[in-house]
Amino acid sequence: SQQGEEDPQALSIQEGENATMNCSYKTSINNLQWYRQNSGRGLVHLILIRSNEREKHSGRLRVTLDTSKKSSSLLITASRAADTASYFCATENYGQNFVFGPGTRLSVLP
Amino acid sequence: DTGVSQNPRHKITKRGQNVTFRCDPISEHNRLYWYRQTLGQGPEFLTYFQNEAQLEKSRLLSDRFSAERPKGSFSTLEIQRTEQGDSAMYLCASSLGLVWQVNNEQFFGPGTRLTVL
Repeated sequence: SQQGEEDPQALSIQEGENATMNCSYKTSINNLQWYRQNSGRGLVHLILIRSNEREKHSGRLRVTLDTSKKSSSLLITASRAADTASYFCATENYGQNFVFGPGTRLSVLP
Repeated sequence: DTGVSQNPRHKITKRGQNVTFRCDPISEHNRLYWYRQTLGQGPEFLTYFQNEAQLEKSRLLSDRFSAERPKGSFSTLEIQRTEQGDSAMYLCASSLGLVWQVNNEQFFGPGTRLTVL
């Protein structure tokens, strides 16, 4: 089974609201990354957080990592219709491959 | 265009036929990854290369699947004797990745959508 599991599976919000999605994983990691996939488009890297970091910001994105709980959260503030996409977390461990979760489908309604 | 490119973008084939996909990574990237993605799911790792060396293969990669990266540049993924269950999007990604380096951002191509009839 995949290591990363996003929660919720689907999320609908109004434009301007904040969106929070969570990711849980099972084994130790070197880093955790979040990716976005728009309908019909490829995956785009959003942000990487290392295992020794607890919080990271990039524009309207805020990512937290709790290695004791093996979980991460992605917060998108002031959402826009263009944020409508699927969001995936992926974990990387030393010498191993990337493991992606099943994703959270975010819909931002105008 | 300096991104990752994949060809073809779409492939329709009959069960039992062989298919080959190509991936051209970002030129200075040492690592190249192949994933498979089905509808509503995240990408599933298939294999990855560090330059021309294939370092890891997933259990998903049956004997019918083979991947090469002969000169450490482009890569091909071949599926022999295709089955309907092989229908999926096949994604390629590359990263800078020096040997044993972690914390790599992957850059993905647009994918090749395979339909097996």
